[in-house]
Amino acid sequence: AQSVTQPDIHITVSEGASLELRCNYSYGATPYLFWYVQSPGQGLQLLLKYFSGDTLVQGIKGFEAEFKRSQSSFNLRKPSVHWSDAAEYFCAVGEETSYDKVIFGPGTSLSVIP
Amino acid sequence: GAGVSQTPSNKVTEKGKYVELRCDPISGHTALYWYRQSLGQGPEFLIYFQGTGAADDSGLPNDRFFAVRPEGSVSTLKIQRTERGDSAVYLCASSLFGGNTGELFFGEGSRLTVL
Repeated sequence: AQSVTQPDIHITVSEGASLELRCNYSYGATPYLFWYVQSPGQGLQLLLKYFSGDTLVQGIKGFEAEFKRSQSSFNLRKPSVHWSDAAEYFCAVGEETSYDKVIFGPGTSLSVIP
Repeated sequence: GAGVSQTPSNKVTEKGKYVELRCDPISGHTALYWYRQSLGQGPEFLIYFQGTGAADDSGLPNDRFFAVRPEGSVSTLKIQRTERGDSAVYLCASSLFGGNTGELFFGEGSRLTVL
């Protein structure tokens, strides 16, 4: 069965610093991969997704992620973090079968120091 | 509004009671999902509807949990004989075709507390 791990439970960065959130997945075939963000009091929002093609994916709010098949990773990056980026970030993988089940990782909580 | 709407936003109940949680998806979205999120955890898949039918209910923890979507739009998650371990935020999401090929749009969730 598919699974998603996010090794970092909590990360703190200074505003303006770069950010990388790690995600590893277990999957038998080419996965569909996603990053979602959950801000306090708001629903989860899609940041970006990878289905196929270019392994570097651009998303909203200046985020990008790189799919590395050899490392089974899909790490999220941002070159310069803003205070408003403080939130919970979830990596997710789409089910291998046709009925579109999406499995979420445990999440990484991001704090931003002004 | 145009987003996914969930009611109630908060529900406090006593152990053993029956609870219904409602989800109103984005108009025209055929796929609807229920997830459960415990404190400090990621969303845990419960059930997925495509239209009126439950395409996958493998995530429902036991037979106390049941969900319906009779007209292919609004869905209700029903929990019988609630237990303290059922306390969590229940999230609903909808998608135009399905989550694997598109974006899931989430509601803000229904927080269930079982005393």
